[in-house]
Amino acid sequence: DAGVTQSPTHLIKTRGQQVTLRCSPKSGHDTVSWYQQALGQGPQFIFQYYEEEERQRGNFPDRFSGHQFPNYSSELNVNALLLGDSALYLCASRPRGLDTEAFFGQGTRLTVV
Amino acid sequence: GEDVEQSLFLSVREGDSSVINCTYTDSSSTYLYWYKQEPGAGLQLLTYIFSNMDMKQDQRLTVLLNKKDKHLSLRIADTQTGDSAIYFCAETPTGKLIFGQGTTLQVKP
Repeated sequence: DAGVTQSPTHLIKTRGQQVTLRCSPKSGHDTVSWYQQALGQGPQFIFQYYEEEERQRGNFPDRFSGHQFPNYSSELNVNALLLGDSALYLCASRPRGLDTEAFFGQGTRLTVV
Repeated sequence: GEDVEQSLFLSVREGDSSVINCTYTDSSSTYLYWYKQEPGAGLQLLTYIFSNMDMKQDQRLTVLLNKKDKHLSLRIADTQTGDSAIYFCAETPTGKLIFGQGTTLQVKP
């Protein structure tokens, strides 16, 4: 079992550009959440998907959007990148309704220049 | 409201016990969690405790929960250099994880 996998591992983008980050959940997990971790901070919840719909959203602007596919994998899209979007983006998966099994991927390090 | 607070830094000698403390605000969390993050890595789930428990022990890890004071602690017995990392506590009142800012544990040989 590969666990939660994220791609790419590192990414450099220019202000104003758009980015797509990808996540494959752990086998047997159907719920995917995305978190943003700025340097020196704890992760902040962006949104959660299951059954291909956004179910919960944190305090992030509409520039942050997502998608979940029928195979439970997910994408995070960020439009009109700002310098402040530079962070580690983490994907977590768990079986729906089972709070105790939230596993995280290694993250995508996004740098906006 | 949703807020989790942790002290930022703890330094211990190898072989000593480490105690990392956390306070949280939302008493509706069913579970409370401890995660470990090593440099450049994602988050590793260390342990969790159900909100109606006072204590949970898992090998070298002991979690204590004081619901009245909304205080959670993680004790690591016989701390090793490999335990050096950032430790996050988290609550989950509505299915999303709310993290503290993390405690950096430094283990000196």
